[in-house]
Amino acid sequence: GDSVTQMEGPVTLSEEACLTINCTYTATGYPSLFWYVQYPGEGLQLLLKATKADDKGSNKGFEATYRKETTSFHLEKGSVQVSDSAVYFCALSDLNTGNQFYFGTGTSLTVIP
Amino acid sequence: DAGVTQSPTHLIKTRGQQVTLRCSPKSGHDTVSWYQQALGQGPQFIFQYYEEEERQRGNFPDRFSGHQFPNYSSELNVNALLLGDSALYLCASSLAPSGSLGQYFGPGTRLTVT
Repeated sequence: GDSVTQMEGPVTLSEEACLTINCTYTATGYPSLFWYVQYPGEGLQLLLKATKADDKGSNKGFEATYRKETTSFHLEKGSVQVSDSAVYFCALSDLNTGNQFYFGTGTSLTVIP
Repeated sequence: DAGVTQSPTHLIKTRGQQVTLRCSPKSGHDTVSWYQQALGQGPQFIFQYYEEEERQRGNFPDRFSGHQFPNYSSELNVNALLLGDSALYLCASSLAPSGSLGQYFGPGTRLTVT
């Protein structure tokens, strides 16, 4: 079945450091891929998405490229800020499974000044 | 423009009781999905409602049921509560069941079963 595997945390970085959170997926069809962010005490917010191979999603300095050959959708940011501290979830939606969303277990990021 | 709203924010119930959670989708959205998020875990899909019918269901027992109203709002009902049902319950809305558009999440209802 469909699934998402993402890098386990927690991740602690200094401000202005580079961030990469790995995400790989398994899907029966051609899924759409997403990154969601959850700030403390809040619900999930859509951060970025990509709907087909080689698409790059970007938002707020974050980027992720849909790599079909490696079934990956790694999240990257060149310079993190304290305000980026949150839990990040990789997710997929697959038409073959009725567009049900599958989420990874989440990666907690803490950015220290 | 109001986003997805959920009520109540927090809820404490006893084992064996029944609970109803409510969700209003983002304006313009007609599809509602419900998720259970245990502490430290990613959301797990419970079911999705579109056109007042359950369209997709995840691996959850029949104790979990739902309803969608003509105004697209939705309820999640859980019967015979177990301790393991303690979690954050998230509602997400989208425009049609299409997954490529993404889903917009509410802040969740924190359910504690004692």
